[in-house]
This record gives sequence, C-alpha cells and structure tokens, in this order.
Amino acid sequence: NAGVTQTPKFRILKIGQSMTLQCAQDMNHNYMYWYRQDPGMGLKLIYYSVGAGITDKGEVPNGYNVSRSTTEDFPLRLELAAPSQTSVYFCASSLTLGAANQPQHFGDGTRLSIL
Amino acid sequence: GIQVEQSPPDLILQEGANSTLRCNFSDSVNNLQWFHQNPWGQLINLFYIPSGTKQNGRLSATTVATERYSLLYISSSQTTDSGVYFCAVVSYNNNDMRFGAGTRLTVKP
Repeated sequence: NAGVTQTPKFRILKIGQSMTLQCAQDMNHNYMYWYRQDPGMGLKLIYYSVGAGITDKGEVPNGYNVSRSTTEDFPLRLELAAPSQTSVYFCASSLTLGAANQPQHFGDGTRLSIL
Repeated sequence: GIQVEQSPPDLILQEGANSTLRCNFSDSVNNLQWFHQNPWGQLINLFYIPSGTKQNGRLSATTVATERYSLLYISSSQTTDSGVYFCAVVSYNNNDMRFGAGTRLTVKP
C-alpha cells in the first residue's frame, strides 16, 4: 500500500528554470492538495483539487500551476523558478464524503532549492 | 480565513515527563488533525479529531469544538517524541486546511 508518492525527493534548480513535481495516490481519494513548508513554519496550501478536471487556488498559488487529468495524479508545475520558491513541498490526499472532511494523508515531501 | 494558534511554541522536557499542547482556532471546523513532523521532515498523522476524545498508546487528544480548541497530551515522553507537532483544521466555509505554526518538542534523555 504505497499511499501518497512524491517524486523527486530533492531537486536543485537555477532561477528561471521550470519543473514539475509529481504526486500520485493509490487510495482512490477524490481530494488532493499541494502545500509548501518554509523553514520553521507550518504548511501553507498552494492548490487543491476535488476531483479529476477540477482545481482551485489555496492560500499561496502565485507562481504555480496544477492539473488533475486523473484521480490518481496531481502534478505541480513551476514555470519560472524564483528563490522565494525554495521550500519543502508536500502533497496530500483525502476521501471527502459530503460535508465530512476525512483525514489527509501526506507524502514524504520534495525538498526544492532554487539558486 | 480561519486562524490557528498553537502553544507553547517550544517545549523542552526530561524523558518520562508529561506534556499538554494546545491548539486554538477561530471558526467552526469539520476537520482537525494533529501531526508529528519527525526530524527527517515526515508528517505523521496522529489523530483525526474534529470533536471528542481519542487515545493511542501514550498519546491522547481532546477537541472541544464548541469552545474552539484542541489539546494533545503526551505521557511518559520519550526521546523519539522529539519533533514538531502541528494542529491543522478545515473550516465549514471552505476546503482549505490551515496549519498552526507548530510546537517544537525536545525530549532530553
């Protein structure tokens, strides 16, 4: 049972480069989320998706794009990497039934440095 | 959006001691989770507890939804309990999970 899988685990980018952080879940969860965690801070929501083909902005969406073409995958794209995007990125998923939010399950994170 | 405050920000304990961590939130919630972030950065889901009381070994949690707070109790602490403990909530008004700033716990042998 893999749960939520994130790749890569580590990456160094140069300013202005682009990359895609991958996230996959095998629990048939309808909700998926992307967070960033800056040093010494809690997590902040970047984007989330309530199902295939549906995405919405979170608290800090600027500089990022997402897509959700399948239930399993929720990639996060950085188009023009900036030093302010140096952070640890976490993907999560949950099964939400009606108004009842179920627990979120997290991947192990992607540590991204932009130099 | 909903505000989440955790206290204390830092806590240092001797092995074997007990502790209580607090999470206050500013709006009604339909999801509250406690996480432990270990020294390797992994987020471990401790409790899903939008209301009521749960126990898991040496850890227990209580959420009083009407008074907008939750407590995490750690008894007989061990060095492996060290790390950062986060409270995170989802309000009824949106699907946005908001995290507190965390409590950094250090358990000394």
